[in-house]
Amino acid sequence: QVQLVESGGGVVQPGRSLRLSCAASGFTFSSYAMHWVRQPPGKGLQCVALISYDGINKFHADSVKGRFTISRDNSKNTLYLQMNSLRVEDTALYYCAKVTDYGDYSIDYWGQGTLVTVSS
Amino acid sequence: SYELTQPPSVSVSPGQTARITCSGDALPKQHVYWYQQRPGQAPVLVIYKDTERPSGIPARFSGSSSGTTVALTISGVQAEDEADYYCQSADNSGTSYVVFGGGTKLTVL
Repeated sequence: QVQLVESGGGVVQPGRSLRLSCAASGFTFSSYAMHWVRQPPGKGLQCVALISYDGINKFHADSVKGRFTISRDNSKNTLYLQMNSLRVEDTALYYCAKVTDYGDYSIDYWGQGTLVTVSS
Repeated sequence: SYELTQPPSVSVSPGQTARITCSGDALPKQHVYWYQQRPGQAPVLVIYKDTERPSGIPARFSGSSSGTTVALTISGVQAEDEADYYCQSADNSGTSYVVFGGGTKLTVL
């Protein structure tokens, strides 16, 4: 069965960096685009970044552009999110998510999330 | 930037029908996907491409589309359907790649 396990979250001061990882199993990781989606406490879902199956094409939401970078290592079945210059408003539960075969970057599997808290 | 608009809340009694809408100017040209998120859990895809139901999703969940509005309908609502529901589409406006609606809290009275 598909499993996505995020790690790397924690409490960090504004301006500092953090790297999230997502270990994938149960499917051919190298064949699927992958998302990072976040959810601030008590709020809705926000797209953060998307990467193509081969790592060549990357998209970042305007709110994180220039600060966050999505990447992947298909040899390790792992997705990453490098987060620099963190802000208080980046506080959220960060989900790793697999893109479906249905199109439109829709998502069929989500991890359980890793919590990032940015606070002084 | 492109937006999808959902009502913040919908309330129904058990056994009744709940209808959750999602509006957006580009929806006549875009498919919509619906996710259910129960408290403390990750989202689950319940409808794809406006009207299709993934395997394992109960038949009481259905989707429809009309112009700039799509809808998720839950027939014979059960207590376990109480959750937040989000619509999502691709964003071809150039400002992003995916857009989520703000979410609708379904309360089963």
